Amino acid sequence: SQTIHQWPATLVQPVGSPLSLECTVEGTSNPNLYWYRQAAGRGLQLLFYSVGIGQISSEVPQNLSASRPQDRQFILSSKKLLLSDSGFYLCAWSRGGAPSYEQYFGPGTRLTVT
Amino acid sequence: GQNIDQPTEMTATEGAIVQINCTYQTSGFNGLFWYQQHAGEAPTFLSYNVLDGLEEKGRFSSFLSRSKGYSYLLLKELQMKDSASYLCAVKGKRGYSTLTFGKGTMLLVSP
Repeated sequence: SQTIHQWPATLVQPVGSPLSLECTVEGTSNPNLYWYRQAAGRGLQLLFYSVGIGQISSEVPQNLSASRPQDRQFILSSKKLLLSDSGFYLCAWSRGGAPSYEQYFGPGTRLTVT
Repeated sequence: GQNIDQPTEMTATEGAIVQINCTYQTSGFNGLFWYQQHAGEAPTFLSYNVLDGLEEKGRFSSFLSRSKGYSYLLLKELQMKDSASYLCAVKGKRGYSTLTFGKGTMLLVSP
């Protein structure tokens, strides 16, 4: 069966500090991978998605970046965090290929920027 | 662009039936998903509709009308554990499975 891991589970970082969140998927190959952010009182916002190693599409311009160094690894980074970066960050995967496949979410990372 | 509307909150009593509506305007349509999200947890997949009509899955059913840009999630025999946020999401781009989510409907089930 497939599982998706995210770490850390919670993070408190000062403004201006760097960020690295990691997501890995087990039990599947060639998944589509996604990073979402859920801010308080707002819906899930798609940040990045990737259909393969080294392929990243950005949905929203911001101070965040994403990388996919391996097939089942997806990393979200920032060089300098802003207060507005606080939120619940969710990684998700879906089967590559047909667009009808549902997305499965990881447990999330709750980030507080102080 | 894409716009998805859902009620912010709903309340219902245990054992009752509740219908959560979702309307959408999207550039292209490739399916509509419903997810359940308990407080502090990740969303979990409930249902998927790509053709008009009703999809039934146990106590949960989802309906889609593409011509009206409308869907609803029907929850029967409500239980306390059904208290959660219910997210409507639309897939509007062909070739990729990116989703646009609504802000979610917080459902509170009381005894």
